[in-house]
Amino acid sequence: DADVTQTPRNRITKTGKRIMLECSQTKGHDRMYWYRQDPGLGLRLIYYSFDVKDINKGEISDGYSVSRQAQAKFSLSLESAIPNQTALYFCATSAGNTEAFFGQGTRLTVV
Amino acid sequence: GEDVEQSLFLSVREGDSSVINCTYTDSSSTYLYWYKQEPGAGLQLLTYIFSNMDMKQDQRLTVLLNKKDKHLSLRIADTQTGDSAIYFCAESMDNNDMRFGAGTRLTVKP
Repeated sequence: DADVTQTPRNRITKTGKRIMLECSQTKGHDRMYWYRQDPGLGLRLIYYSFDVKDINKGEISDGYSVSRQAQAKFSLSLESAIPNQTALYFCATSAGNTEAFFGQGTRLTVV
Repeated sequence: GEDVEQSLFLSVREGDSSVINCTYTDSSSTYLYWYKQEPGAGLQLLTYIFSNMDMKQDQRLTVLLNKKDKHLSLRIADTQTGDSAIYFCAESMDNNDMRFGAGTRLTVKP
């Protein structure tokens, strides 16, 4: 089983719809992250959480919200999806500053 | 401005060495990383280096850090077609998030 599992893997949604991307990890790490990847821009941090009661905005948090339901679960929501949120989304977890473990990504298309 | 910069493309011939370069702006960076992303997959850590080190070698991979110039490089010796991927440079400080570059797409030609 993968260390970090993201669901769904692919999703097409309409403008204005609410959508949730889910992430779970089996590493037992406290830190979890949501990134989006766009061509030529690398990975940009949306939100991160260093433990269950800690939620922090990243560099591009506008239009997104997150929920840390448990140490192992960190979900990302788009309350009202817009086309420029079309991207590849990655969840990651780490124990500290050494290695981050990434999920396989969720490809989201907003039409 | 960008915290971490990399060139977007690199093409080499199989068997040659590849050198992927990265510059970063934050002199407080404590950890510097190289991640590899293969098509359709997430990122996997290749190697990392602490800011108090100049060099780290791991089999075909050599990481060089010039802290004065804030320059990090990844050298892949004897590059193989399986090394074709996107390579991301990243940096972080203690208890902070990780910042990534845009990624360098390495193409290895037979």
